[in-house]
Amino acid sequence: QVQLQESGPGLVKPSETLSLTCTVSGGSISNYYWCWIRQPPGKGLEWIANIYYSGSTIYNPSLRSRVAISVDTSKNLFSLKLTSVTAADTAVYYCARAPQWQQGIFDYWGQGTLVTVSS
Amino acid sequence: DIVMTQSPDSLAVSLGERATINCKSSQSVFYSSNNKNYLAWYQRKPGQPPKVLIYWASTRESGVPDRFSGSGSGTDFTLTISSLQAGDVAVYYCQQYYDTPYTFGQGTKLEIK
Repeated sequence: QVQLQESGPGLVKPSETLSLTCTVSGGSISNYYWCWIRQPPGKGLEWIANIYYSGSTIYNPSLRSRVAISVDTSKNLFSLKLTSVTAADTAVYYCARAPQWQQGIFDYWGQGTLVTVSS
Repeated sequence: DIVMTQSPDSLAVSLGERATINCKSSQSVFYSSNNKNYLAWYQRKPGQPPKVLIYWASTRESGVPDRFSGSGSGTDFTLTISSLQAGDVAVYYCQQYYDTPYTFGQGTKLEIK
């Protein structure tokens, strides 16, 4: 059974960079898309970005200028960096997997990690 | 962006009764070249991440009970739980993957009456 686990700081200062890692266990990172999705408190789910195991990426245009997603197949993990954060970036961040045949269907999710942006 | 709007925001249904959740997209998510609707439904139970129930508007994910069904086409979709069980208490989301950015509905909270 594939498992995804997010890790990273739970508190980030305004204007700094949010960095999260998602470790994939129970299966290979190859031949899938890997995704980040977030949910601010009291708000809806927002898709952030996808990366294929080979490294090709797609981003939400609303965040594109501040987001970078990367994958490390040797360590079976992928990462998210979000620069110049503000309080509006406070959210539960989920990592997820999408199948090779449709990168918009999120079939496995991590438990999520709350990141608070505050000084 | 394609806006997904769910109704109702919350719903209380008696055990064993039918629950119906609606989802409307601001533009069609039907792709005529393959005759598919790019619409998924997710269930999020308290303390858990979302779980995909249905994709292509009506295809159940492996392991999902057949009391869950999806229907609709174009811009209007429905998730039906035919006979509500206590374990179905959750927030349900629709999501379109027709175009990026992928977008979700605001969620419908389902409770037991």
